[in-house]
Amino acid sequence: DTAVSQTPKYLVTQMGNDKSIKCEQNLGHDTMYWYKQDSKKFLKIMFSYNNKELIINETVPNRFSPKSPDKAHLNLHINSLELGDSAVYFCASSQIGEETFFGQGTRLTVV
Amino acid sequence: AQTVTQSQPEMSVQEAETVTLSCTYDTSESNYYLFWYKQPPSRQMILVIRQEAYKQQNATENRFSVNFQKAAKSFSLKISDSQLGDTAMYFCAFMTTNAGKSTFGDGTTLTVKP
Repeated sequence: DTAVSQTPKYLVTQMGNDKSIKCEQNLGHDTMYWYKQDSKKFLKIMFSYNNKELIINETVPNRFSPKSPDKAHLNLHINSLELGDSAVYFCASSQIGEETFFGQGTRLTVV
Repeated sequence: AQTVTQSQPEMSVQEAETVTLSCTYDTSESNYYLFWYKQPPSRQMILVIRQEAYKQQNATENRFSVNFQKAAKSFSLKISDSQLGDTAMYFCAFMTTNAGKSTFGDGTTLTVKP
């Protein structure tokens, strides 16, 4: 059973397009996150949701919009994709004080 | 705001030897959690070890142990008897008790040489 699953695993798209990445966790965690890992492998938090409510929104362009339909799902929608958006995006979930479980990552390539 | 610093971008070690990865952090909180994660080339993030700040005893998981110095805000990872499979990027992470926000260091790429 996959704890945190995100789809798709790879995404290649043209500049200006809109795309979504879906994420689901079956761990019963209250908190879900989106992280961005750039080409230098730096891992930066983008958003955090706790029980469907946005609690952390780091400095991220408003082209990025997270949506949490329920506690187990946190999707990421990106409008008007730019070359600089190319990265690996990780969905994750955790309970406070416990291990953060990560999805397999989505490698987004904008051409 | 919390910051996590990993001062060694890259390290290498011979198979079967011991290596220590450094991590320092800055926070005004008294209670928090610290983690080391491993990211092999498969890019899957894997928990290596976890430490609770209010526990003085250093965490240990098989060949992995930490040296947690709360006053110095230092949390280093020691890998004993290094194996080829330990080759990966290692991230130090700090988690608050408020909302569980995690801050990650920039990572250390470890290469284990045969």
